[in-house]
Amino acid sequence: AQSVAQPEDQVNVAEGNPLTVKCTYSVSGNPYLFWYVQYPNRGLQFLLKYITGDNLVKGSYGFEAEFNKSQTSFHLKKPSALVSDSALYFCAVRDSLYNFNKFYFGSGTKLNVKP
Amino acid sequence: GAGVSQSPSNKVTEKGKDVELRCDPISGHTALYWYRQRLGQGLEFLIYFQGNSAPDKSGLPSDRFSAERTGESVSTLTIQRTQQEDSAVYLCASSLDTGRNQPQHFGDGTRLSIL
Repeated sequence: AQSVAQPEDQVNVAEGNPLTVKCTYSVSGNPYLFWYVQYPNRGLQFLLKYITGDNLVKGSYGFEAEFNKSQTSFHLKKPSALVSDSALYFCAVRDSLYNFNKFYFGSGTKLNVKP
Repeated sequence: GAGVSQSPSNKVTEKGKDVELRCDPISGHTALYWYRQRLGQGLEFLIYFQGNSAPDKSGLPSDRFSAERTGESVSTLTIQRTQQEDSAVYLCASSLDTGRNQPQHFGDGTRLSIL
């Protein structure tokens, strides 16, 4: 079965410090991985994706993610956190083998960036 | 803007009533998804439309839930005889097609509260 896991419900970081939001995946077939951010009372916004190619993917708002096949991970990172980065972050994987229509989302990680 | 539009933004209704939620996808987007997001949880896939193909209804939780889409335009999600456990945010997303590198674009959701 296809799935993603976000092991941390919440991540706290001080403004200016680097941040990491963790995601691990389990898929049959090639992994198509995505990160989304959700601000209060809003829908999800696309940040970045990994399909093929370089393991380090750069996305919106200075975020990047590193695809690690051996560890089946796709952690979201940013070198210097901003208070405005505080939001809910979702990792997602697309089923590339059985049902391409489906995305599987993690349970989300709340990022708190303190001034 | 030209994003995904959902209406109403909030809906409060009594248990047992029927509700209809609307989604206007981005123009030209052939793929349309409905998700349910319960408080503090991730996204639960409900249904998927792609052009004029038969929809993927595999995520609908019961026969009280149904959805329609006319061509590549507006979609409506209908919940009959609502129950309190139906309370959630219902998110709609659209994408250009089912290409592997196409992310989803989300609306801000309809917040449904069943009294």
